[in-house]
Amino acid sequence: DAKTTQPNSMESNEEEPVHLPCNHSTISGTDYIHWYRQLPSQGPEYVIHGLTSNVNNRMASLAIAEDRKSSTLILHRATLRDAAVYYCILRDREGGSEKLVFGKGMKLTVNP
Amino acid sequence: DTGVSQDPRHKITKRGQNVTFRCDPISEHNRLYWYRQTLGQGPEFLTYFQNEAQLEKSRLLSDRFSAERPKGSFSTLEIQRTEQGDSAMYLCASSFKRESDTQYFGPGTRLTVL
Repeated sequence: DAKTTQPNSMESNEEEPVHLPCNHSTISGTDYIHWYRQLPSQGPEYVIHGLTSNVNNRMASLAIAEDRKSSTLILHRATLRDAAVYYCILRDREGGSEKLVFGKGMKLTVNP
Repeated sequence: DTGVSQDPRHKITKRGQNVTFRCDPISEHNRLYWYRQTLGQGPEFLTYFQNEAQLEKSRLLSDRFSAERPKGSFSTLEIQRTEQGDSAMYLCASSFKRESDTQYFGPGTRLTVL
């Protein structure tokens, strides 16, 4: 499974934008980039995914580097409810294993 | 809107006892996954079903673990002869087969083996 690298933790302030980086230098052409987050005492929650182009949804934006070796999850206005562990995951769209391979993720702290 | 549900939410058992967990996926989802998560780690894949067929099992799934999905609806995960090392959060997820295959997770069952 292709691996991703994230900082162990980040801090942000409420109502400010947050940029969460992820490196995936060994990404293959068929890998989707997925982001999930896990709030305390809950199961992981899907945030966003993309392949090549930048993506926006109601929760966040995903900016993908032109060479696809890195990506950034952008929370436009962090709230206290965004405090969670964020996981950046690669998934092969051409099948093989269907599992999600989680790393340790990155803990985001949002200060009021 | 009913998401993925799991029962029980918490289970405390003594070493050597058997336990069974249940997962009810989102109704139209044909794929169901089980993961295990220990403190400070990300979830680890255990097994997954497409409809009633169990298509992949992790090496983490020892012979004490068995999962079923009769009729392709709910699923059960049974652990026989529990050990203290089985203490973890057991997470269930479901998805509908398509290219991006987003997985939707339940709240988990926290198992404590004394």
